[in-house]
Amino acid sequence: AQTVTQSQPEMSVQEAETVTLSCTYDTSESNYYLFWYKQPPSRQMILVIRQEAYKQQNATENRFSVNFQKAAKSFSLKISDSQLGDTAMYFCAFMKHASQGGSEKLVFGKGTKLTVNP
Amino acid sequence: AAGVIQSPRHLIKEKRETATLKCYPIPRHDTVYWYQQGPGQDPQFLISFYEKMQSDKGSIPDRFSAQQFSDYHSELNMSSLELGDSALYFCASSKRLAGGILDTQYFGPGTRLTVL
Repeated sequence: AQTVTQSQPEMSVQEAETVTLSCTYDTSESNYYLFWYKQPPSRQMILVIRQEAYKQQNATENRFSVNFQKAAKSFSLKISDSQLGDTAMYFCAFMKHASQGGSEKLVFGKGTKLTVNP
Repeated sequence: AAGVIQSPRHLIKEKRETATLKCYPIPRHDTVYWYQQGPGQDPQFLISFYEKMQSDKGSIPDRFSAQQFSDYHSELNMSSLELGDSALYFCASSKRLAGGILDTQYFGPGTRLTVL
């Protein structure tokens, strides 16, 4: 079974600064997807970024980028120019690729609560 | 862009009552997932459907059942409710791409169930 570990329960950053959230995972699969979801106080689950394991290039979405290290099974999220609206719980999630068979459910980490201070 | 719709958004029930949660996926999405998120917890997978057939089952109690209808909406039926069923229930939808590959799961706003 896959497991996802987020070792930082809480983090804080000053507005306009950069912060990195850590995520490691354990799997025997060779092909899979990794995601970061954001859950603000409204508790809506919002997709931040997606990475396919077969792609060596790290995904980026505006101020959000990842550092994907497949051999180390590490998938960190970097938020640049942090904004007050980035305050939220951030969940790292794993999903098997359809070619691997079996479940395509999302497996989540426990989350990192990020606070952006003015 | 259209999003996943869930109803009701809030639901209060007594112990041993029954609840039905509804989910309307993004248009043209054929796969629906249900997740349960307890207070301070990460979401846990309950069950999924593809083309109206159950595709996977997680830690879903026998008291719960679900189905996907011909219009692709899904309903989660919960009977003999317990205090521990109080949680946020998310529905997510996705679509199959070429080669059966699944696209990203997009979440609805959730239904907050409180069992008294």
